[in-house]
Amino acid sequence: EVQLLESGGGLIPPWESLTIACAASGFDFRTYAMNWVRQAPGKGLEWISSISDGGGREYYADSVKGRFTISRDNTKNILYLRMNNLRDDDTALYFCARRSIYYNYWFFDLWGRGTLVTVSS
Amino acid sequence: DIQLTQSPSFLSASVGDRVTITCRASQAIYSYLAWYQQKPGQAPSLLIYAASTLQSGVPSRFSGGGSGTEFTLTISYLRPEDFATYYCQQLNNYPLTFGGGTKVEVK
Repeated sequence: EVQLLESGGGLIPPWESLTIACAASGFDFRTYAMNWVRQAPGKGLEWISSISDGGGREYYADSVKGRFTISRDNTKNILYLRMNNLRDDDTALYFCARRSIYYNYWFFDLWGRGTLVTVSS
Repeated sequence: DIQLTQSPSFLSASVGDRVTITCRASQAIYSYLAWYQQKPGQAPSLLIYAASTLQSGVPSRFSGGGSGTEFTLTISYLRPEDFATYYCQQLNNYPLTFGGGTKVEVK
């Protein structure tokens, strides 16, 4: 089955670090760029990071730049997000999403169910 | 950064209605726009990409239009399963951004 499954979320105190993961299955993971998108409780979607298929290019939203690091292991089909110096406003459901392309047009056509990160003392 | 403004933020409608949601970009994004549907407790689901191309498996009552800075998502005949929140997303350049969302509610 083609799917993405996030894990690693939980309750974490402010200023601490956490790494969440997204396990991919059912497709050739190494040929797709991947993304993290988050959704704070009751709020909209916020793109936070992307990584190229080979892992050589990374992109970040200003809100997480310098604190979060995206990475991937194409031998294990896993996407990671290392989150440092967590703040209250990082509390959100974190989704991983696959980026597909049709001609020059990108879109996120496969999403996981998300992992909840709650930052609180 | 490119800002996307969706309108309305909330929309009350009835089964059978035709509804249109607008997404305006702060600068031209050609047709690099996608639309997603999100139901409570679920992940977003892709409806349309390249502004007007229907994703495989999405019912034909959904349609997208526009280019440049103004885009629309239309549901031609609202069905009970269409009550949800809809988001536009620009994929013209980084940082990728989403609109604020439009919640379609039962009138």
